[in-house]
Amino acid sequence: NAGVMQNPRHLVRRRGQEARLRCSPMKGHSHVYWYRQLPEEGLKFMVYLQKENIIDESGMPKERFSAEFPKEGPSILRIQQVVRGDSAAYFCASAPVGAQETQYFGPGTRLLVL
Amino acid sequence: KNEVEQSPQNLTAQEGEFITINCSYSVGISALHWLQQHPGGGIVSLFMLSSGKKKHGRLIATINIQEKHSSLHITASHPRDSAVYICAVLAYGNKLVFGAGTILRVKS
Repeated sequence: NAGVMQNPRHLVRRRGQEARLRCSPMKGHSHVYWYRQLPEEGLKFMVYLQKENIIDESGMPKERFSAEFPKEGPSILRIQQVVRGDSAAYFCASAPVGAQETQYFGPGTRLLVL
Repeated sequence: KNEVEQSPQNLTAQEGEFITINCSYSVGISALHWLQQHPGGGIVSLFMLSSGKKKHGRLIATINIQEKHSSLHITASHPRDSAVYICAVLAYGNKLVFGAGTILRVKS
């Protein structure tokens, strides 16, 4: 059973470009969480999704950021018109139905905005 | 004041020493996680606790729900234990709230 997979592992974008980060949860997991770790800062919650639904997006910046978890395929965190302040490590975690407290983390995507 | 406080922020130990990292929280929680992160690396979940004590190899985690406090102990520390250790609590539903982390360096 493969763990949580994220790709790409490293992503370089120029200011104004779009960044798409993908997260494939563990098999059988239908809950996905996205977290951001800014340089020299701790991890912060961004968004919690179940298949085809956003459950809690209270940690998402109001503009330029969006997330989805379609019925088929990975969860996508999309950042439009990236700025240097978006440079961070983005981690996703997944959890099975009925055990949402048991979150398994992916390896993260390191985004660098030039 | 942060909802999750860890101490110490930095810790340097000699190989073989017994290490304790502390975590205090101020919110109601359903579970507490101890996580490990190596520089530039991913996050590994070491323990999830809702009560009592858990042990895995040289690692021991305890939680006191009444006092809102948890500790992570490492026995017979080794240089490969050098990493950032992060306490995270599951609060406000299913959101993890993270401490700032403890940077551990074990010298040989």
